[in-house]
Amino acid sequence: GESVGLHLPTLSVQEGDNSIINCAYSNSASDYFIWYKQESGKGPQFIIDIRSNMDKRQGQRVTVLLNKTVKHLSLQIAATQPGDSAVYFCAEEFTGGGNKLTFGTGTQLKVEL
Amino acid sequence: DAGVTQSPTHLIKTRGQQVTLRCSPKSGHDTVSWYQQALGQGPQFIFQYYEEEERQRGNFPDRFSGHQFPNYSSELNVNALLLGDSALYLCASSDDSGPNTGELFFGEGSRLTVL
Repeated sequence: GESVGLHLPTLSVQEGDNSIINCAYSNSASDYFIWYKQESGKGPQFIIDIRSNMDKRQGQRVTVLLNKTVKHLSLQIAATQPGDSAVYFCAEEFTGGGNKLTFGTGTQLKVEL
Repeated sequence: DAGVTQSPTHLIKTRGQQVTLRCSPKSGHDTVSWYQQALGQGPQFIFQYYEEEERQRGNFPDRFSGHQFPNYSSELNVNALLLGDSALYLCASSDDSGPNTGELFFGEGSRLTVL
């Protein structure tokens, strides 16, 4: 499949290690945030979301942390697996601005065996 | 249960031509959004359709237009193609059940190359 991750920031981790992917968002009014995973040749896939009234949310093997003071979002993946290799995007939304997500530029995660 | 389907998967056009891309949303979804993804970048919001009306629009010129049909499927039309319109065009569907976009389900995209 074609690559969507050319010249993106890259994070390389060993299989089994934990991964932390960071994102700085742009709009201080944004109050809803989502992480998406995009594998080569595919559309983005929803991973987890968080609202601005929370600073942490956990899913299956994933945790999202939100720091509104510095407009920073992170995605933690526990026990990273080869299937986690993909480009990861954070996206933000301002509820009062309508249903339109603003995506970041993405981070390429490479899992080494 | 089919997810979001898009057609065509790949197409090549020349500058000045017009293109129509099609999308069928996930079963049960009534809202369709279109995104443009240039190589190496995140998707950019073009517009969103709900109840056959354009509800939201991003920063795209009027050359980009769309339509939603009674069965919730949608088309994206781009007129007077420019080289810079070369990108992956993603359709995403959701249900209009909350104040936010919520979980978007994306198709695999239509890769447009403008020569």
